[in-house]
Amino acid sequence: AQTVTQSQPEMSVQEAETVTLSCTYDTSENNYYLFWYKQPPSRQMILVIRQEAYKQQNATENRFSVNFQKAAKSFSLKISDSQLGDTAMYFCAFMKQLGGGSNYKLTFGKGTLLTVNP
Amino acid sequence: DTEVTQTPKHLVMGMTNKKSLKCEQHMGHRAMYWYKQKAKKPPELMFVYSYEKLSINESVPSRFSPECPNSSLLNLHLHALQPEDSALYLCASSRTGQTGNTIYFGEGSWLTVV
Repeated sequence: AQTVTQSQPEMSVQEAETVTLSCTYDTSENNYYLFWYKQPPSRQMILVIRQEAYKQQNATENRFSVNFQKAAKSFSLKISDSQLGDTAMYFCAFMKQLGGGSNYKLTFGKGTLLTVNP
Repeated sequence: DTEVTQTPKHLVMGMTNKKSLKCEQHMGHRAMYWYKQKAKKPPELMFVYSYEKLSINESVPSRFSPECPNSSLLNLHLHALQPEDSALYLCASSRTGQTGNTIYFGEGSWLTVV
């Protein structure tokens, strides 16, 4: 079974600064996907960034980037130029393919509550 | 904007009621999911439908009954629930196949059982 560990239950950062959220995972799979999802107080689960395990290049999406270390099973999220709207719970998630590709299973970490202070 | 639409946004029901949660997506996805999320916890997978057939049931009590009438719709029928079933219920969908897949979530339905 896969496990996802987020060791920082809460973090805070000043507006315009940079913050890094940590995530490690454990799996015996070779092909998988990793995600960071953001869940603001509205509780909608919003995709932040996605990384395919077979790609060595780290994913980047505007102010969000990841540091993917496959051998170390580490997948951290860096948020640059933090904004007040980034305040949310951030979930790291591991996804593997099931049923010959007919569907997928997401395993979430426990989340990191990020607060951006003005 | 989310392309997975859930209704209702909020639902309060008694323990003897029968109600349903509805989910719709128009992205052409053939895999659809129900997740349950308690406060301050990550979402937990309940059911997976693939090509309108139930693919995974994560040992969910029978008082929750999923239904997939067509490739765009997913329902969750609720009957004789308990107060501990109060939670946020998230619907999600994804493409099928080998590459480029992501699970997209709806805004959720808040359920309170009284």
